[in-house]
Amino acid sequence: EDKVVQSPLSLVVHEGDTVTLNCSYEVTNFRSLLWYKQEKKAPTFLFMLTSSGIEKKSGRLSSILDKKELFSILNITATQTGDSAVYLCAPSNRNAGNMLTFGGGTRLMVKP
Amino acid sequence: DSGVTQTPKHLITATGQRVTLRCSPRSGDLSVYWYQQSLDQGLQFLIQYYNGEERAKGNILERFSAQQFPDLHSELNLSSLELGDSALYFCASSVGLDQPQHFGDGTRLSIL
Repeated sequence: EDKVVQSPLSLVVHEGDTVTLNCSYEVTNFRSLLWYKQEKKAPTFLFMLTSSGIEKKSGRLSSILDKKELFSILNITATQTGDSAVYLCAPSNRNAGNMLTFGGGTRLMVKP
Repeated sequence: DSGVTQTPKHLITATGQRVTLRCSPRSGDLSVYWYQQSLDQGLQFLIQYYNGEERAKGNILERFSAQQFPDLHSELNLSSLELGDSALYFCASSVGLDQPQHFGDGTRLSIL
């Protein structure tokens, strides 16, 4: 059975802080790992990672994948209150239609 | 706005009833995924269709079924509803199996 563990479960920081969110996984027939941000409604796509060691960046967010150690991290620098959300990681299984197995998420709260 | 449209946004019904949830994928997306999000289970994959054909199944109950129509919209049918079926049901779509999934805003189903 595919498994995903995210840590920490929750995090409270102040604006301007840098945070690192962790995701470890066990997935048969791994294809890629995706990060999503979920506020009140739909998960919003952030990154898709398929290769080890190649950092993907989007503004203040960046992410990297380690396929040997089976983990990924999501970094957010200079946090803002608008970054407050639940961050979900989800590896995909190539033999199951690319279905995603979601972790429980990290709830980030950024205080002014 | 992800471009994935789900209707209705909210649905309140009683135990034993049957409901149909509808999803219109983003323009050009051939693959549709259904996920269930409940408080105790997190986001869980139910079923996937690609260009009208079922491609993968998750832990979907026998009381639940889905289909994807020639115009690529999809419907998720839930029957003999139980209190435990109360959840947020998300539809996601992607261009192909190797591309990120983009989520709709979900249908919140409440069983009374």
